[in-house]
Amino acid sequence: AQSVTQLGSHVSVSEGALVLLRCNYSSSVPPYLFWYVQYPNQGLQLLLKYTSAATLVKGINGFEAEFKKSETSFHLTKPSAHMSDAAEYFCAVSLRSNDYKLSFGAGTTVTVRA
Amino acid sequence: DAGITQSPRHKVTETGTPVTLRCHQTENHRYMYWYRQDPGHGLRLIHYSYGVKDTDKGEVSDGYSVSRSKTEDFLLTLESATSSQTSVYFCAIGRLAGGPDANTGELFFGEGSRLTVL
Repeated sequence: AQSVTQLGSHVSVSEGALVLLRCNYSSSVPPYLFWYVQYPNQGLQLLLKYTSAATLVKGINGFEAEFKKSETSFHLTKPSAHMSDAAEYFCAVSLRSNDYKLSFGAGTTVTVRA
Repeated sequence: DAGITQSPRHKVTETGTPVTLRCHQTENHRYMYWYRQDPGHGLRLIHYSYGVKDTDKGEVSDGYSVSRSKTEDFLLTLESATSSQTSVYFCAIGRLAGGPDANTGELFFGEGSRLTVL
């Protein structure tokens, strides 16, 4: 079975600083990987996804993630944090491109300090 | 916007009472999912459906049942609610992405239903 582990349940960054959220996966077959963002009292919104095309994936709101097979990682980054980036972020994995069943990590809450 | 509506958005009930949450979609997607969200656990799959009357269990299905008699509606029922079922419940639909990733799928989520069982 596939699974993901998000390192760090809370991350605090200063406005303008680098945002780095870590995600490691385990999968017996090449995975498809996703990052979702959840703003307070809202549903989850897709930030970006890896589907085996390019290993560096660019998403919305200036976020990007790099798939590293050797490290089984899919870390999310943003060069310069904005106050509006304060939210909870979830990494997720599925085994097949059209298998919508996702396994989610526990989530990382990002706080942005002025 | 995938046209997903969840109802009720908030509900407080007592232990032992039945509860039904409704997910309604307007885009005729086959694939629908119910997840629950709890602190420290992320989202966990309860049940899912691949079409009318075609449902299956997820990883945390005990105490829950689902029904899908119409493509647009996916109902989640707690036959006898317990305090451990206090959670935020999310419905999601699965659909193929457009553009260069046309063969890959994505999940789109509703706004959630917050259930408190006293």
